[in-house]
Amino acid sequence: QSVLTQPPSVSAAPGQKVTISCSGSSSNIGNNYVSWYQQLPGTAPKLLIYDNNKRPSGIPDRFSGSKSGTSATLGITGLQTGDEADYYCGTWDSSLSAGPYVFGTGTKVTVL
Amino acid sequence: QVQLQESGPGLVKPSQTLSLTCTVSGGSISSGGYYWSWIRQHPGKGLEWIGYIYYSGSTYYNPSLKSRVTISVDTSKNQFSLKLSSVTAADTAVYYCARGAILGGNFDYWGQGTLVTVSS
Repeated sequence: QSVLTQPPSVSAAPGQKVTISCSGSSSNIGNNYVSWYQQLPGTAPKLLIYDNNKRPSGIPDRFSGSKSGTSATLGITGLQTGDEADYYCGTWDSSLSAGPYVFGTGTKVTVL
Repeated sequence: QVQLQESGPGLVKPSQTLSLTCTVSGGSISSGGYYWSWIRQHPGKGLEWIGYIYYSGSTYYNPSLKSRVTISVDTSKNQFSLKLSSVTAADTAVYYCARGAILGGNFDYWGQGTLVTVSS
């Protein structure tokens, strides 16, 4: 089971905004950079956000990331049908029970 | 543009060893600065990090799989490999190889993934 907790699903109408939370602890989010990944159906995950709030080249500024304490948030504005996907957060973890790298439980985004 | 491609059997019998290879193109494993990782996804489930290797051969594994996992690297072929022993049906999953940044830990390049089914 993952040590990073995300809501199972979020939804909104086209053009609206959604936020996805990722809750962890001091052994992971609290002391490490957070990344976010988008996984479209049937495809490999794709890096959306790295180092908490940076976007790789080619990722539109509709996607944003932030971190506060032991939680992180992914925001998507101007929601499009093509944004329907599963989203995962990820970060290093220093606890002995978890892997050095842990992913969130995943959130399915539905465009109504 | 870095590309990763997984290869290996799509069907493995229970109790046998799952073996996969990831071939990297467009960049050198030996260039440093990155961990080369294996990640899997059970059908309909989330992502599970399996382990990583650095070009020097240093490895780190998920504690839950550590006793069964071996990751190795062949810098001459620009490849790294995964071996998972004593597999059961619970190891049926899509297996991805990915490049991870050492500092941020983010995975910026992924293979397309390969489905491995454990069944007799």
